[in-house]
Amino acid sequence: NAGVTQTPKFQVLKTGQSMTLQCAQDMNHNSMYWYRQDPGMGLRLIYYSASEGTTDKGEVPNGYNVSRLNKREFSLRLESAAPSQTSVYFCASSVKGQVITSYEQYFGPGTRLTVT
Amino acid sequence: DAKTTQPNSMESNEEEPVHLPCNHSTISGTDYIHWYRQLPSQGPEYVIHGLTSNVNNRMASLAIAEDRKSSTLILHRATLRDAAVYYCIRGNAGGTSYGKLTFGQGTILTVHP
Repeated sequence: NAGVTQTPKFQVLKTGQSMTLQCAQDMNHNSMYWYRQDPGMGLRLIYYSASEGTTDKGEVPNGYNVSRLNKREFSLRLESAAPSQTSVYFCASSVKGQVITSYEQYFGPGTRLTVT
Repeated sequence: DAKTTQPNSMESNEEEPVHLPCNHSTISGTDYIHWYRQLPSQGPEYVIHGLTSNVNNRMASLAIAEDRKSSTLILHRATLRDAAVYYCIRGNAGGTSYGKLTFGQGTILTVHP
């Protein structure tokens, strides 16, 4: 049981390049999330998917797109990377049931992205 | 505003109890209190949550003030592995706040051997 896995672990991009961060979970969770964490800061929600087939914006969605490929996988795409998107990106998942269970989230190990 | 207030840092000695405070003076009646921690170079890890009464699990205890304007996460015997950033987060049980964890800067806990 791997939990939440993310690929790649590290990535360096040039300004303007695009890339997709991959996330998968094997806990049969319905809901998935993408966060970013800038140095010395707490996490900020980018997008989330309450269930397969739905996605919604979080606090900082600009410059990102997401795809909920199936129940297991939730990807985050940067279409034209900017230095301001240098950050650590975390994917998380949770059980969908009562709203309270949505707050018990399981996080992946993160992807460290540098945009030069 | 879903803000909570925590001290920037705290220190403890190994095998001693640690009390991590959190103020949430504007909490509403349907807001839960959640605690997460983040070990160095890892993703956050769920610790505990509560609404009104004190809660215990294998990781920690959560003591919530009677007026719910503050709470305290209690680690009964700190270990070196407990050195982490601890986040106190309000989460509304209403549907519009579904899963939207709002992380502040948290409390950096240092545990001395």
